[in-house]
Amino acid sequence: GENVEQHPSTLSVQEGDSAVIKCTYSDSASNYFPWYKQELGKRPQLIIDIRSNVGEKKDQRIAVTLNKTAKHFSLHITETQPEDSAVYFCAASYGGTASKLTFGTGTRLQVTL
Amino acid sequence: DAGVTQSPTHLIKTRGQHVTLRCSPISGHKSVSWYQQVLGQGPQFIFQYYEKEERGRGNFPDRFSARQFPNYSSELNVNALLLGDSALYLCASSLPRADLGPGELFFGEGSRLTVL
Repeated sequence: GENVEQHPSTLSVQEGDSAVIKCTYSDSASNYFPWYKQELGKRPQLIIDIRSNVGEKKDQRIAVTLNKTAKHFSLHITETQPEDSAVYFCAASYGGTASKLTFGTGTRLQVTL
Repeated sequence: DAGVTQSPTHLIKTRGQHVTLRCSPISGHKSVSWYQQVLGQGPQFIFQYYEKEERGRGNFPDRFSARQFPNYSSELNVNALLLGDSALYLCASSLPRADLGPGELFFGEGSRLTVL
């Protein structure tokens, strides 16, 4: 089955700096790669996703890149703000109507003033 | 529109008991998935149902079962509870598209189960 590895497990950046979180996946059939943000005690919320037919996607301060050959994808957050502090999870999935997501182990991002 | 709703939000059980967790998907979503999130870890896939049929099952023992009803709501049942079953149980609904792959998963707030 699919295996997703995520690094780093914790990341501390100063407000205004950039943050990068990296994930690798094992199953070349995976075609959908979402990123979720989870604040303490809350539900995971989708912040951005990318499908395998696209190499990069951007939404304001957040971008995701995908390298299918190397089987890795990354989340980039620019101009970080204190409200970006949370745990971020990458995930991978494949198929049409199947929606099984395999999650990474999470990255705790802390943005300090 | 209401999001994914789950009940109960919190519950405490003792070892050996049984629990039923309920989930109502977003209106129009026909796929419901269940995930277990142990503290400090990422969610782990338990089941997916699409159009009332089981479409996927994760690496969980037979003590875990689920079903989806004609209105697309779902129940997760766990029998013979163990201490290790203590976790946040998340339900997610989606509208998968066969042409584009899995749809976005929308998670509920979860049911936090504590087994004593």
